[in-house]
Amino acid sequence: SQQGEEDPQALSIQEGENATMNCSYKTSINNLQWYRQNSGRGLVHLILIRSNEREKHSGRLRVTLDTSKKSSSLLITASRAADTASYFCAPGTSYGKLTFGQGTILTVHP
Amino acid sequence: DTAVSQTPKYLVTQMGNDKSIKCEQNLGHDTMYWYKQDSKKFLKIMFSYNNKELIINETVPNRFSPKSPDKAHLNLHINSLELGDSAVYFCASSQIQTFSENTEAFFGQGTRLTVV
Repeated sequence: SQQGEEDPQALSIQEGENATMNCSYKTSINNLQWYRQNSGRGLVHLILIRSNEREKHSGRLRVTLDTSKKSSSLLITASRAADTASYFCAPGTSYGKLTFGQGTILTVHP
Repeated sequence: DTAVSQTPKYLVTQMGNDKSIKCEQNLGHDTMYWYKQDSKKFLKIMFSYNNKELIINETVPNRFSPKSPDKAHLNLHINSLELGDSAVYFCASSQIQTFSENTEAFFGQGTRLTVV
């Protein structure tokens, strides 16, 4: 099934540093979404980028999409301890099918 | 008001039992989902309903039966529970604006099911 594969599986940084997570997928997409999951909670939507967009910003988040390489990246600038969470990408393909991978576990040390 | 609520939050039960997890959304969305998250955090889609109709049914054992009495509710009934069913189950909803485009999904807080 079409799901994103996040890389790296785990990322550990210091507060104030930037964090970059990558997502690769296999087939053509309509859009791609990024979500965050805090420990023990449900997923929270961060940003959606459409297939005809190359870059999108939301606050400290910057998402890029390269459809020729079938990849996306999520950059969190000036990270904070509160950014500690798992991050998932969800390539949007079939109607009604929102699929996820294993996520990237981000730990931001104060 | 909680947008997507599921009950119970925790469920501990013995093998062989039958249990249900309820999900309700007050967002007016047409599409609802059930996901299973295993111990390795892999989040796998199980079912997707649009306006009470099943549109996605991944390879899930038929011991799992979703029921949608109306578009605001999608319950998950599990028969003959097995140890491998232990996981966190998430309900979600979204409003699909076009036939082929998924939009932002809202998730419930999850139900941690432990089968002993």
